[in-house]
Amino acid sequence: RKEVEQDPGPFNVPEGATVAFNCTYSNSASQSFFWYRQDCRKEPKLLMSVYSSGNEDGRFTAQLNRASQYISLLIRDSKLSDSATYLCVVNRGSGSARQLTFGSGTQLTVLP
Amino acid sequence: DGGITQSPKYLFRKEGQNVTLSCEQNLNHDAMYWYRQDPGQGLRLIYYSQIVNDFQKGDIAEGYSVSREKKESFPLTVTSAQKNPTAFYLCASIAGGASTDTQYFGPGTRLTVL
Repeated sequence: RKEVEQDPGPFNVPEGATVAFNCTYSNSASQSFFWYRQDCRKEPKLLMSVYSSGNEDGRFTAQLNRASQYISLLIRDSKLSDSATYLCVVNRGSGSARQLTFGSGTQLTVLP
Repeated sequence: DGGITQSPKYLFRKEGQNVTLSCEQNLNHDAMYWYRQDPGQGLRLIYYSQIVNDFQKGDIAEGYSVSREKKESFPLTVTSAQKNPTAFYLCASIAGGASTDTQYFGPGTRLTVL
């Protein structure tokens, strides 16, 4: 079983749609969680951290379920510019010894 | 501006040659990382370094070597022992301490072995 698993997609949605991605992780000791965005042939960039209580940043909402070991990302009112690959990332290190494990990514295409 | 630079952006090498990828950061970050990404896959950790003159193997270190002689520099050498070196290589760094986990990436180097 992979440490971090994501549905690879692709998700093709119309502009304005709401889309949700899920990610599961296998290491129950993982301490911190993130969603990164990666555009085609570019480096990943941090989209948002995921906190235990859930957090929202504009049209993006991230949630963490430690009991079930999954993380979700909800995108509301999709824009064409949201088209990218979304990477689920889990920190399996402790303290300052960070070791980020990346999922394979979920590809999103927002259609006009 | 502060950030991470990687050079070159594209690199072509003949099979059997060693090649060194550059990674420099001026963010004063303690920890630096090298990842490899293959098409349709996530990033896989090659090597990482928490402090100067110290580094550890990641999940796929075979065929690679690194050095960390200076805080701002973490070069990666892809040796001829690496069986399938063609990939997108990404360097990243994180600030020291446990206060933040934000990892900053360089723009990457696309290595093609002919």
